[in-house]
Amino acid sequence: ETGVTQTPRHLVMGMTNKKSLKCEQHLGHNAMYWYKQSAKKPLELMFVYSLEERVENNSVPSRFSPECPNSSHLFLHLHTLQPEDSALYLCASSQERRRNTEAFFGQGTRLTVV
Amino acid sequence: GEDVEQSLFLSVREGDSSVINCTYTDSSSTYLYWYKQEPGAGLQLLTYIFSNMDMKQDQRLTVLLNKKDKHLSLRIADTQTGDSAIYFCAETPSGGSYIPTFGRGTSLIVHP
Repeated sequence: ETGVTQTPRHLVMGMTNKKSLKCEQHLGHNAMYWYKQSAKKPLELMFVYSLEERVENNSVPSRFSPECPNSSHLFLHLHTLQPEDSALYLCASSQERRRNTEAFFGQGTRLTVV
Repeated sequence: GEDVEQSLFLSVREGDSSVINCTYTDSSSTYLYWYKQEPGAGLQLLTYIFSNMDMKQDQRLTVLLNKKDKHLSLRIADTQTGDSAIYFCAETPSGGSYIPTFGRGTSLIVHP
């Protein structure tokens, strides 16, 4: 248990569905991240929130929409996804602006788009 | 090329030493990390090294840093089947928001 909880653990959705991934941390961290982990690709940073403001958006398609209502919660809203979006989506948190900043990861949501 | 590069697979026999290698491009990296991902789980920090160090030892783990060649390695002594996992190398740059950049990960397979 790392202190970062993601739900659901598994999600199967059709291309026309709308769903949301949830991430929660109670570590007192001020930065939260969404990563995408696909087979045979580097871990891709999607979004970063620092103090609830989005500070990074790495050219992610608009069908992925993040939301950070407070420093403990992060959502990833999904709509009209494509099969190539199937992957493991990892949430992480850290105390940003510290030089040695360990990122704590959740267990991920395994997303399958059919 | 990628910012952080690792070989994808390593297979070792139980009891042997494993050495996982990583190269990175950002010479201003301040901290370099090794994360471990077990099946069905997220990444967990194993160890890290500050860029002004050459070596760090932590029980069965030894991290070696060659800053001139931008090469980082993780040695696991007496490798056990429980060490089977994906190992990610990561770096944080000296400026900006210290967001870590990860490699693709090396799958370590330990067989009896």
